[in-house]
Amino acid sequence: EPEVTQTPSHQVTQMGQEVILRCVPISNHLYFYWYRQILGQKVEFLVSFYNNEISEKSEIFDDQFSVERPDGSNFTLKIRSTKLEDSAMYFCASRGRLTGELFFGEGSRLTVL
Amino acid sequence: AQKITQTQPGMFVQEKEAVTLDCTYDTSDQSYGLFWYKQPSSGEMIFLIYQGSYDEQNATEGRYSLNFQKARKSANLVISASQLGDSAMYFCAMREWGNQGGKLIFGQGTELSVKP
Repeated sequence: EPEVTQTPSHQVTQMGQEVILRCVPISNHLYFYWYRQILGQKVEFLVSFYNNEISEKSEIFDDQFSVERPDGSNFTLKIRSTKLEDSAMYFCASRGRLTGELFFGEGSRLTVL
Repeated sequence: AQKITQTQPGMFVQEKEAVTLDCTYDTSDQSYGLFWYKQPSSGEMIFLIYQGSYDEQNATEGRYSLNFQKARKSANLVISASQLGDSAMYFCAMREWGNQGGKLIFGQGTELSVKP
């Protein structure tokens, strides 16, 4: 069964460093998303991406964040100048059609020290 | 603005019993979809069931059913014959079809514990 894959599964970084989280969505999917879940809290929407551009972004998704689909298969989330409060699980998700469910990856846990 | 509310932070159920997890929503859109996801302790998000706002029948998927009451704006998840493996966080989510990017907005979640 096709699945969304994310790397790394866990990354530890120093405050102020840049991190890139990578995702390979399901191959025929067209809509891509990043979500964040701080430990013990709800899953928060960050950004949606369609047709090689951002469709929508939340208030959380400020200039510190950026997304890219560099090669037609990968979908990346870049976090510049990480802060302690960026520590969270980051989920990538994809969807094949407008009305379908989101398929989530297993998440990338980011720990900022 | 869309909003999802799950008022039960934690629930306990005896194995083999049924349990209902509550979810209410608020939207001004006439067309929307409601979803339930399960998040076990391992962390992944697993899709369980979907209900469209125009669906007249309540959705069912195996032991999962969605008690959809449109006038009350509720979409409760019913799990029948609970199993130990059902212990997890459960999130209700909504998508408004008018939303350009098709994002899901999630509730706060309910932690379900199944007792042997």
